[in-house]
Amino acid sequence: EVQLVESGGGLVKPGGSLRLSCAASGFTFSGYNMNWVRQAPGKGLEWVSSITGRGTYIYYADSVRGRFTISRDNAKNSLYLQLNSLRAEDTAIYYCARASNNWNYYDYWGQGTLVTVSS
Amino acid sequence: EIVLTQSPATLSLSPGERATLSCRASQSVSNYLAWYQQKPGQAPRLLIYDASNRATGIPARFSGGGSGTDFTLTIGSLEPEDFAVYYCQHRSNWFTFGQGTRLEIK
Repeated sequence: EVQLVESGGGLVKPGGSLRLSCAASGFTFSGYNMNWVRQAPGKGLEWVSSITGRGTYIYYADSVRGRFTISRDNAKNSLYLQLNSLRAEDTAIYYCARASNNWNYYDYWGQGTLVTVSS
Repeated sequence: EIVLTQSPATLSLSPGERATLSCRASQSVSNYLAWYQQKPGQAPRLLIYDASNRATGIPARFSGGGSGTDFTLTIGSLEPEDFAVYYCQHRSNWFTFGQGTRLEIK
């Protein structure tokens, strides 16, 4: 059974940093492109960042480029998102999501971890 | 950049009724469109991919159709657990989502 379990969320002050983790199981982690998607309170879904299976290619939404860093450790079956220079508008639930083989959609999602940026 | 517009924003129906949700793309996306269901406090769940293919474990009352710019998600006979928010999604430059349709009990 595919499982994705996020952790690392919490309350942080504007300008602060946080590191999110996603532990994957039930599939060959290195064979899949992985993603972070966020959802602000009461709002819709927003793609944040993607990384290919071996970490060769990395992509960011314009809204987070230069502040967030995605990475993965295939030996540990884990995906990460380093959040720096946080702003109030980064407040959201952050989901880890596995991309389909053709990278056209997300076939599995974690339960999410809440990041709150507030003074 | 492709924009996905969902309608209606809110749909009020009763259990047993048929639901039809719409997603329109600002330019052709061929059949590269997915639908997700999100219940309160839960992560989204993939329902339909490539416009008309049901994901694993999705009941047959869910069906997707369309191609090009106009797509529909149809729920044949609403069950109580189907009342949720539904999003369409396409990957062009990157992953783009519609703003969502809230399906509520009338």
